[in-house]
Amino acid sequence: DADVTQTPRNRITKTGKRIMLECSQTKGHDRMYWYRQDPGLGLRLIYYSFDVKDINKGEISDGYSVSRQAQAKFSLSLESAIPNQTALYFCATSDGPRLFNEQFFGPGTRLTVL
Amino acid sequence: AQSVTQPDIHITVSEGASLELRCNYSYGATPYLFWYVQSPGQGLQLLLKYFSGDTLVQGIKGFEAEFKRSQSSFNLRKPSVHWSDAAEYFCAAQNNAGNLLTFGGGTRLMVKP
Repeated sequence: DADVTQTPRNRITKTGKRIMLECSQTKGHDRMYWYRQDPGLGLRLIYYSFDVKDINKGEISDGYSVSRQAQAKFSLSLESAIPNQTALYFCATSDGPRLFNEQFFGPGTRLTVL
Repeated sequence: AQSVTQPDIHITVSEGASLELRCNYSYGATPYLFWYVQSPGQGLQLLLKYFSGDTLVQGIKGFEAEFKRSQSSFNLRKPSVHWSDAAEYFCAAQNNAGNLLTFGGGTRLMVKP
């Protein structure tokens, strides 16, 4: 079984709808991250959490919110989806704290907002 | 501001040819540097990383990368490309406080038979 899973893998929705993307991990890591990937822009950080009680905004948090329900679960919500939120979304996890913490990525969720 | 740049958006090489993917970084101090690969429909997989020491680092799948401080570069190389190497490649940097990754825009590699 995959260590980092994301559901759904694909989603098409309409402008104004509320959407939740879910991430679960079995690696026992404390740190979890949400990124979005757009062509030519690489991955940009939306939110991150270093433990269950810690939530931090990333580079592009506007229009998004997150919930860390447990060590293993980190959900990303789009309260009112808009077309420019169409992207590939990745969840990642890492251990910590150390100088270097390799991040392990889920398979991604492709979201289309019409 | 910290940034990572991959100048080539697309690269096409013939199978068996050598490969070099470019990466430049702009950081206050030398960051930790990484190369990730994203195969179609997959998440990102770490190919290799550089912290300090030897400037030539070896990774998985026959890849290597060379750190050049004078050029602020960390280019990825492979002597002989296989069709299965077709993917998108991301260079990333992390400051040495162990915090967050900054990614380049990615380079999509296509391999001709």
